[in-house]
Amino acid sequence: GQQVMQIPQYQHVQEGEDFTTYCNSSTTLSNIQWYKQRPGGHPVFLIQLVKSGEVKKQKRLTFQFGEAKKNSSLHITATQTTDVGTYFCAGREGAQKLVFGQGTRLTINP
Amino acid sequence: GAVVSQHPSRVICKSGTSVKIECRSLDFQATTMFWYRQFPKQSLMLMATSNEGSKATYEQGVEKDKFLINHASLTLSTLTVTSAHPEDSSFYICSAGAGVIYNEQFFGPGTRLTVL
Repeated sequence: GQQVMQIPQYQHVQEGEDFTTYCNSSTTLSNIQWYKQRPGGHPVFLIQLVKSGEVKKQKRLTFQFGEAKKNSSLHITATQTTDVGTYFCAGREGAQKLVFGQGTRLTINP
Repeated sequence: GAVVSQHPSRVICKSGTSVKIECRSLDFQATTMFWYRQFPKQSLMLMATSNEGSKATYEQGVEKDKFLINHASLTLSTLTVTSAHPEDSSFYICSAGAGVIYNEQFFGPGTRLTVL
């Protein structure tokens, strides 16, 4: 079945440093979504990527979808303490269910 | 964005009892709702897909007789954990999608279940 791998599992940075998490699927995806979950909270939708090679930006966050639609990345520039949380990618194959990656837990040293 | 509520937010129960968790879409109609389970510091594992007016579709390894799902209306789905045991303790989260297949999912705030 479809698998979505996400690395790294944990990332600790100094405030102001950049952060990147990577997501790889075993199969070609129809779309990929990114969610953020704050400690003790629930996942909150960030963005959806659909097109091959698509790049989207939200302020300091840059999301990319690979040309082969099998990988994706989330890059945060100049992290702030409010960026703390776990970032999940979730891939969908065709019209199938979303499959979540393991998540990358980001902690920040102020 | 759309709002999904979940009730209760936290429940502690004795082993052997049943617990019902409600998931409601407050400002939209959700033809499909999803139930996830999340253990501490782990990812979300899909348990079942709930479709209004029809039987839920369970993921492999999820006991349908233990985790009863009812999607009685376009705004309400319930998950009942029957005869709960300590190993059922977890964070249960529902999500709802509205309409088009490729849209985002809106997550409820989750229910933390502790079985003593």
